[in-house]
Amino acid sequence: DAKTTQPNSMESNEEEPVHLPCNHSTISGTDYIHWYRQLPSQGPEYVIHGLTSNVNNRMASLAIAEDRKSSTLILHRATLRDAAVYYCILRGLGFEAGNNRKLIWGLGTSLAVNP
Amino acid sequence: EAQVTQNPRYLITVTGKKLTVTCSQNMNHEYMSWYRQDPGLGLRQIYYSMNVEVTDKGDVPEGYKVSRKEKRNFPLILESPSPNQTSLYFCASSGLGVNTEAFFGQGTRLTVV
Repeated sequence: DAKTTQPNSMESNEEEPVHLPCNHSTISGTDYIHWYRQLPSQGPEYVIHGLTSNVNNRMASLAIAEDRKSSTLILHRATLRDAAVYYCILRGLGFEAGNNRKLIWGLGTSLAVNP
Repeated sequence: EAQVTQNPRYLITVTGKKLTVTCSQNMNHEYMSWYRQDPGLGLRQIYYSMNVEVTDKGDVPEGYKVSRKEKRNFPLILESPSPNQTSLYFCASSGLGVNTEAFFGQGTRLTVV
């Protein structure tokens, strides 16, 4: 299973941009890069995903390196509600494991947002 | 509203007493799975299902059973719970494509004494 590496924790100030990095040097050509976040006492929630090109949605932007070995989740203006654990996940077809399209979770980055 | 519903949210039980955690989704998703979340270990997949009557083991299936008789429901069964199954459990559903969004339930906090 391809793995991702993220910093354990990061800190930001409210209304400032936040760049959350992720390394995934063993990514395969068919793996999608997904980001989820988990707010305190809640289930994970989807943030964004991409394959090769940079992606934007209402929550965030995803910048993917040209060689796809790293990516960065960008929160343009952090709010207190953005304090959560952010997970960078690779999701592939899982041919080696019965086509199990599971999400492979690391420990994520715990983001603190200061008022 | 698209959602995954798990019940119960909290459960305290005794060793050996069979229990079922229910999971239901309203998005007609083919893929459903169960995860457990433990401090320092992250989320680990227990079982998954790619369609009705199609289930398979994930990374930590020992001590658990599942069934998928209907597309919307995917219950997790602990036939004889033990204290090492004390954990936070999440049910998730998504389409089969690896570029699809997964939806998670709110979690079930299980304590086995």
